[in-house]
Amino acid sequence: QSALTQPASVSGSPGQSITISCTGTSSDVGSYNLVSWYQQHPGKAPKLMIYEVSKRPSGVSNRFSGSKSGNTASLTISGLQAEDEADYYCCSYAGSSTFNVVFGGGTKLTVL
Amino acid sequence: EVQLVQSGAEVKKPGESLKISCKGSGYSFTSYWIGWVRQMPGKGLEWMGIIYPGDSDTRYSPSFQGQVTISADKSISTAYLQWSSLKASDTAMYYCARMRYDSITLDYWGQGTLVTVSS
Repeated sequence: QSALTQPASVSGSPGQSITISCTGTSSDVGSYNLVSWYQQHPGKAPKLMIYEVSKRPSGVSNRFSGSKSGNTASLTISGLQAEDEADYYCCSYAGSSTFNVVFGGGTKLTVL
Repeated sequence: EVQLVQSGAEVKKPGESLKISCKGSGYSFTSYWIGWVRQMPGKGLEWMGIIYPGDSDTRYSPSFQGQVTISADKSISTAYLQWSSLKASDTAMYYCARMRYDSITLDYWGQGTLVTVSS
């Protein structure tokens, strides 16, 4: 199972909006609304930010939103803040033959 | 409060065996799957497999099938990840996380266990 494709890096200034894409295939992202996004600060464990494409867990800022079109999912962060600087990973269910789940390669977000 | 507490860092030699642990608290341990995720130095997250502590149903990623063993002891709310013969390429941070099966979501994570394999 190949990893989902994410840009290696994105950047934005405080207050701006950025979008991180996550491209899969018709066997994973395109087939299931089971895409999640995780934020990871250096030296820390990942944190769930978005699940089921666009749902936010309790406690996650509404500046974070998710969407999907075809085989590509997206994470948008509006009103960028310095604390948003981190690595972001998408994740998708990829079928039940062996319970496949696949992560994206990760995107480093830099807040300028 | 949901917590997953993992065992401490390990330094091992190639060929040695190892079992690391992940203890859950603050929720019904037997009602949620536990997943294991690998992160090699400077790299991204990799899905390894999951276990349902209620009945020990286990599923492995094809990449890790046969390479590791996932188990659980529900009597002490603890999941395990073990190797029978470590390789240098097993050097990584390993995370456990609680998984909601209906949404394939890892909603709570352990702090990670760093495994270093070096001769």
